[in-house]
Amino acid sequence: DIQMTQSPSSLSASVGDRVTITCRASQSISRYLNWYQQKPGKAPKLLIYAASRLQSGVPSRFSGSGSGTDFTLTISSLQPEDFATYHCQQTYSTQCSFGQGTKVEIK
Amino acid sequence: QVQLQESGPGLVKPAQTLSLTCSVSGASISSGRYHWSWIRQPAGKGLEWIGRIYNTGSTNYSPSLKSRVSMSIDTSKNQVSLNLSSVTAADTAMYFCARGTVSGKDEDYLDYWGQGTLVTASS
Repeated sequence: DIQMTQSPSSLSASVGDRVTITCRASQSISRYLNWYQQKPGKAPKLLIYAASRLQSGVPSRFSGSGSGTDFTLTISSLQPEDFATYHCQQTYSTQCSFGQGTKVEIK
Repeated sequence: QVQLQESGPGLVKPAQTLSLTCSVSGASISSGRYHWSWIRQPAGKGLEWIGRIYNTGSTNYSPSLKSRVSMSIDTSKNQVSLNLSSVTAADTAMYFCARGTVSGKDEDYLDYWGQGTLVTASS
């Protein structure tokens, strides 16, 4: 099994802050790494796929980078609607797996 | 407009089988471009991938659930189904279905999700 570890588990930030979330895989996954945003009571929404490709309709303040085992999701200027939980997912293996999630809260 | 809708009993007794259906509109589950996943999320916790099924009926399951999970596909109804046997309280969660798209190198992602259905395992 490929284990995905996100850090931090939660963070507090202010509107306008630059926020970085990391995701580490237990083995190389090339660039088979996706990021999702989830708001309370809602289904996750795809933000980034293939490590760095922005899903259609997602604001350009979201960006992703990395390959191999280490990946990053960056929000360049946090907006009020960005307070949510973020999940990474690897699809390199036929058994996909998610990280444990990172909750972004208002400071 | 692609839409997915989960349905099934909200309450399942321990040791029984949880059965859910995902009805898809706006996309054909017969297309080889997609696969169909089930994901669950206990209250206040992270996402857990359960498994996925392709239009051919081929499946991949989570190793931790493999002995209890089965998925099927009904192209005539444009539906996919999930069965999870021998449920316990630990299977209580919100269950989501999602469409997976494979579109190129490194590209395999879940682009459309249902709203989810809450299943409680309790007597």
